Amino acid sequence: GAGVSQSPRYKVAKRGQDVALRCDPISGHVSLFWYQQALGQGPEFLTYFQNEAQLDKSGLPSDRFFAERPEGSVSTLKIQRTQQEDSAVYLCASRSTAAGANVLTFGAGSRLTVL
Amino acid sequence: AQSVTQPDIHITVSEGASLELRCNYSYGATPYLFWYVQSPGQGLQLLLKYFSGDTLVQGIKGFEAEFKRSQSSFNLRKPSVHWSDAAEYFCAVGAQASGGSNYKLTFGKGTLLTVNP
Repeated sequence: GAGVSQSPRYKVAKRGQDVALRCDPISGHVSLFWYQQALGQGPEFLTYFQNEAQLDKSGLPSDRFFAERPEGSVSTLKIQRTQQEDSAVYLCASRSTAAGANVLTFGAGSRLTVL
Repeated sequence: AQSVTQPDIHITVSEGASLELRCNYSYGATPYLFWYVQSPGQGLQLLLKYFSGDTLVQGIKGFEAEFKRSQSSFNLRKPSVHWSDAAEYFCAVGAQASGGSNYKLTFGKGTLLTVNP
């Protein structure tokens, strides 16, 4: 597609529920990143894929967070047993490997509220 | 580890006035530097970037930024602010990510810009 698409845009979950957030990157973009943006803060790195390989997951805050990109395109960020501190906007970004295109394009984000 | 400091949490300027948003970074190597803008409910839009070469970079919407290695700074400027520039601005540094030539961004906490008519 023309841009990075994320769904759902808004999600309200009760504490303890599992949630899944989807990211459709720009077609052909090899690299895909997930960021977490808490209220009033800058985005913080969660994890990074190159094609289907998860090369860096150093930013995932706990083992309740899991991301996958099984076919190297669409990615899903799953949060198990959600806690109130998980409330944030989750941003997805993708990047081309083409020369001169070494920048990330961000989606509009998925806002998660945990009650 | 790399870090970014944006000293000003909130700045208010009058429409037509000049603007400078401050950014200081900490990174051991030559950094990739970025400024992004975020409007309410929107994703991050890239304003400009510095990878190498000329230390004064031009971006979209009339913004520019200057990389000063000696001061570890990458301040964003605009000579005349428009009401539509009201938004949150994030400075970011790109550091090497696992897997070769890629990088991951570390963001500052942002500066909220209010524009008075």
